[in-house]
Formats: sequence, C-alpha cells, structure tokens
Amino acid sequence: GAVVSQHPSWVICKSGTSVKIECRSLDFQATTMFWYRQFPKQSLMLMATSNEGSKATYEQGVEKDKFLINHASLTLSTLTVTSAHPEDSSFYICSARRNRGAVHFGDGTRLSIL
Amino acid sequence: AQSVTQPDIHITVSEGASLELRCNYSYGATPYLFWYVQSPGQGLQLLLKYFSGDTLVQGIKGFEAEFKRSQSSFNLRKPSVHWSDAAEYFCAVGEETSGSRLTFGEGTQLTVNP
Repeated sequence: GAVVSQHPSWVICKSGTSVKIECRSLDFQATTMFWYRQFPKQSLMLMATSNEGSKATYEQGVEKDKFLINHASLTLSTLTVTSAHPEDSSFYICSARRNRGAVHFGDGTRLSIL
Repeated sequence: AQSVTQPDIHITVSEGASLELRCNYSYGATPYLFWYVQSPGQGLQLLLKYFSGDTLVQGIKGFEAEFKRSQSSFNLRKPSVHWSDAAEYFCAVGEETSGSRLTFGEGTQLTVNP
C-alpha cells in the first residue's frame, strides 16, 4: 500500500484563493520531503526541499511567497499556493525520504484554477 | 549542472515485442540514476536505480537498465512488453542513492498495441 499520502488528490478553485496541499508519510518519519511540479505532458521539476523544523530550500526561479511550505512534524509537509491563478494549474507531487533511506512518492494533487 | 535527456517523446511497440527507452545524462560526479514509471494521473513508481557496482541493473516488472559511462547513458529495456506497461517513463539523476532532489528527463510515453 501507499506509504506517502497526498491530499487532496484533485482540487478546483477560483482564481485568487489559496490552496493547501498535504503530504504525509504514513508509516515512517520523514525529516525531508520534496515538492515537484509537473505541467501537462511535461517532466517533473523540483520546486523545494522541505526540512522538518526549519525553512524550506527553494529551487531557483520558484517564488517563496507564492508557494509556502511548512514541515511542522516528521510526518507532514504542506504546500500552500497563495492567491492562485490559472497559470498555477498543474500536477503537484511530493516525495518523502525515510531517515537515511529511500524516497517514496505520493500520488500527486491535480490543481485546477478557474 | 546536472541534466537528463530522453530523446524519444513517444514510442509505440506491439505487445510481446522488446523495448528500449533511451536516457542520456550529464553529471559532474558519480551519477545516481533512476527510472520511474507514471500511470495517468498517478504518482511515480520506482522501477530500478543504479549507483555503483554491476552496470546491468535488474528492476521490478521485468525491466532492466544498463549504465554505460562512456556513452553517458542509462537505457531501460524489457524483453517482452505487456499491455499493462503502457505509461510514461521518466529517467532521473539524483544527488544520492535515496532519490533525493531528482532531476528528471522529459519523459517517454509508451503505447502498446495489441
């Protein structure tokens, strides 16, 4: 079964609203989680690395104030897309790393902004 | 900077035929290489990975990949394709064996004809 859960799996919302996506490790503690973005028929691009108890590390070109990441516990990281607009519509995927172990991916969240 | 190229955007094969998906990488140090499969609207499943040792790596679902340093390649192969193998395949290079901070290729869409 899945070891990393993302919620919601699909969300549709109006332009200007903020949307929160959760990434949970179900049976292990994940000190580090990663957030990726995937446009339709394109590859995955790493957005940020989320470390429990500290600030996230963002990749070049990713707006920190636009994509807020919170990793408040060892099993949960959240990505909040603030004031979302249609160009933010995408498939967002997280992955979580076991302590000194393998990385597992979630099933992704499809975000559609109207 | 590291990069991954998958030259074939779309490949079509007949069920039972052999398959080879190409992947070329650019990385300054010893590469950690991965192949993932993604079904529509789903997350990623790890097929196999290479980080040292035998250059022919066996994975799940009958897949294998061969690391060729001289050609900077890590091609994925399967002797006999099944209809259920139809999906998007991503090659990726990472900074460590766990699969953290991955750089993905553009992906290859595999169609399997009956």
